Amino acid sequence: DAKTTQPPSMDCAEGRAANLPCNHSTISGNEYVYWYRQIHSQGPQYIIHGLKNNETNEMASLIITEDRKSSTLILPHATLRDTAVYYCIVTSYGNKLVFGAGTILRVKS
Amino acid sequence: GAVVSQHPSWVICKSGTSVKIECRSLDFQATTMFWYRQFPKQSLMLMATSNEGSKATYEQGVEKDKFLINHASLTLSTLTVTSAHPEDSSFYICSARPTSGRDNEQFFGPGTRLTVL
Repeated sequence: DAKTTQPPSMDCAEGRAANLPCNHSTISGNEYVYWYRQIHSQGPQYIIHGLKNNETNEMASLIITEDRKSSTLILPHATLRDTAVYYCIVTSYGNKLVFGAGTILRVKS
Repeated sequence: GAVVSQHPSWVICKSGTSVKIECRSLDFQATTMFWYRQFPKQSLMLMATSNEGSKATYEQGVEKDKFLINHASLTLSTLTVTSAHPEDSSFYICSARPTSGRDNEQFFGPGTRLTVL
């Protein structure tokens, strides 16, 4: 699986958009980009995933660059409840998820 | 939909005893389930992949005789920590991949906190 690089932490003001970057320069053609988050002492929560096209759901938007070497998770209107560790994972279909260190997002009022 | 439960949510046991943790997919069938372990301030570490009706596949460094996994049905996988010791104290999390799911989504349980005295 391709390795991902994320900033260790980010701060965001409540109500503003949170943009979380992820680099995956060694991604291969059949690998998806997945985003999960983990709120303290809970199991991870699925957010969104994509292959090459941008994706949007009720939680977030995922923007993947044309060369697929990086992506950005966008939480359009961050709330205090969005404070969590966000994990960007790249893996092919049917393969296991390997979690890195992730980004600690702190949403502040 | 896509709810995964774990039982118990927390357990305290004496050193040398065995502890069983259950992972259930409540509203979907899961041919494949996964078991993770997470130590404080660390990321999730995959322990093993559990496939219904067959033996689990363990990650390198995980003792299969210590962490027994059984996946007897499409909605239930169990992890038994045998002869638990204080160093086994950790947060154990399972996930389930829907049999009929698209792509590679996995849904996670709330976790089980094990404390071995």
